[in-house]
Amino acid sequence: QSVVTQPPSASGTPGQNVTISCSGNRFNIGPNFVYWYQQLPGAAPKLLISRKNQRPSGVPDRFSGSKSGTSASLAISGLRSEDEAEYHCATWDDSLSGLVFGGGTKLTVL
Amino acid sequence: QVQLQESGPGHVKPSETLSLTCAVSGYSINSNYYGGWIRQPPGKGLEWIGSIYHTGSTYRNPSLKSRVTMSVDTSKNQFSLKLTSVTAADTALYYCVRQGPFPYSGGSIDYWGRGTLVTVSS
Repeated sequence: QSVVTQPPSASGTPGQNVTISCSGNRFNIGPNFVYWYQQLPGAAPKLLISRKNQRPSGVPDRFSGSKSGTSASLAISGLRSEDEAEYHCATWDDSLSGLVFGGGTKLTVL
Repeated sequence: QVQLQESGPGHVKPSETLSLTCAVSGYSINSNYYGGWIRQPPGKGLEWIGSIYHTGSTYRNPSLKSRVTMSVDTSKNQFSLKLTSVTAADTALYYCVRQGPFPYSGGSIDYWGRGTLVTVSS
């Protein structure tokens, strides 16, 4: 299993606010940028949140990233049916000297 | 526009070598980006394999390092991956990607190929 952990699943109803967590340690999330990806069914992942919690062009401001200590979070406000996807966090691990991904969180819009 | 396209055999036998190439278009591989490989076993999460700069400098996943070789051909604007001694555990969808500067912006992956499924079986 990965050194960075995510809950395997999350859910919400349309219009709700949802938060997905990404937990690490002092070697990875603590000192480094955290990136978030959205992977729609059958598609390649897409960058949602970049360094310093920035959103690439075209990503709605309903998506936001934050970090506190050795954990990071992806918040989705005003949940929509098209947000149903797998969400992955990624960061550099100084101890492993490698890029690590969380296991992914499958978000279901009820 | 930026495009990355993986190519290579879709089936490899156990103990043999998996070889993939990523053809890049829409930007020069000589620019300030790394070319990387990420894989996703069926129904599972993403795993970074390794990344290469146009100078040939590489970063590799420590857990795969001994089996991974990467190369870059700037004249063809492409980069390649070789993974030796494969087993069924290497069966996955393999993506080639464009990444920001390593190490700390290597997680910034702004373009992905469509992925190519490689199955390891006898």
